[in-house]
This record gives sequence, C-alpha cells and structure tokens, in this order.
Amino acid sequence: IVLTQSPLSLPVIPGEAASIHCRSSQSLLHSNGYNYLDWYLQKPGQSPQLLIWLGSSRASGVPDRFSGNGSGTDFTLKISRVEAEDVGVYYCMQALQTLTFGGGTRVEIK
Amino acid sequence: EVQLLESGGGLAQPGKSLRLSCAASGFTFRTYAMSWVRQAPGKGLEWVSTISAPGDLKYYADSVKGRFSTSRDNSKNTVFLQMDSLRADDAAVYYCVKGGTLFGAPNGEPIAHFPFDPWGQGARVSISS
Repeated sequence: IVLTQSPLSLPVIPGEAASIHCRSSQSLLHSNGYNYLDWYLQKPGQSPQLLIWLGSSRASGVPDRFSGNGSGTDFTLKISRVEAEDVGVYYCMQALQTLTFGGGTRVEIK
Repeated sequence: EVQLLESGGGLAQPGKSLRLSCAASGFTFRTYAMSWVRQAPGKGLEWVSTISAPGDLKYYADSVKGRFSTSRDNSKNTVFLQMDSLRADDAAVYYCVKGGTLFGAPNGEPIAHFPFDPWGQGARVSISS
C-alpha cells in the first residue's frame, strides 16, 4: 500500500490552523470499523513520536489541538492553532498490510 | 517512564554482520510486541521488523527478509536485530519501538495493532568497505 502525503512542505503562521493530507492507494478501513492509519511527528533532531492512531485516536499526552480524521483512502491531520514547537516532519503510516509510511510533510514556521 | 536504549550500531563492511540490541524498561516488556524502524540519511521512515510479545510471530520488510532476523529475551527485557549480508542501502538510523501490528494467517489481516510508542533514540549503522 502506497501512502501519498501532501503538501511536501507547509509554512505556517503560529496561531493559525494547518492541515496535512494522506492518501492511500487502497482503503485502510477494516471490517472491524477501524481505519489502520497512524500519524507521527519527528521534531528536528529527535526520534519520531506518536500523535494519532487508528485514524482518529489521540495518543496520551498529545495536545488537543491535534486531530485526525478521514476514512478509507483519504485522511487529514489537523492542527487547530499551530505553535512553534509543532515544527518538524509529519508522517502517516498504514498498518492494514505490510507497514508503510508516507513520504512526510515538513512543517515550518513562516 | 518507558525507555528504549539501542546499542550495537557502528560501521560494517558490505556483506558483514551487525547485531543491534534494545534494552527496555518502564513497562511490562513481555506483554508487548516490539518493532524496528529505520531511517536512511536524509530520508523518511521504513518499517523493518516486528516480533510478537512471546516471540512466536515475526514479520519482516521485503527489503530485509532472509538477511535480518529479530528475536527477544523476555527475561532480560531486550529485543535484538541480527543484520547479516549488509548492503550499502542498509545504512540508516535504526529505531527500536514499542508496539507493532500482528497479522493473522492465512488472510494476512491485522489481528492486533499497537501503535509505535515510544521510540528509542536510535542506533546508527554505517556501511563502507
């Protein structure tokens, strides 16, 4: 399964909203009703960290300004009010079949 | 606090072997699947392997199948990645991660999904003759 993220780069203004898209070559909706799509953030110089799992479940400790939605083949990660600490590369990952990651979206402060 | 500490990285010649270890603490290690994910210099993330909690199920990316093998010692809270027949394109930072997805047979559908959380600090593997 191929995941395509857009945009590749996203300049943002602190306090404004931002959206990152992830499109899958196949539906990630399982018969159990869950979408097998996770989101990760790799901040500069750090290891990746989990943000969202199974499409829309926010990980423990993740601020509520982060939200994930979508189903099937189209998913969106939304940041309601971007903060300076949110810069980095965001990756989506599918877990319905052999795990694959999207190519990443780099978020930077404008 | 959950901690994952990788070791064993370094420089290897093409065709040679390296063994990575990941010492885990802060959680009940024997009850969690564990995985390895790598990141080549300047590139994105690539899943490498997953091992189930008891160690009976193992999954590998096609790019490493037959060359890499994963194992674990639940008595020592440690997971391993044995890397044989190393190639230039295996050069990467290798992250040990808590979690993974287990797939059932014969249809290959996911039977359990534990998102990657947290990630270790990474072990750098370089390949050069």
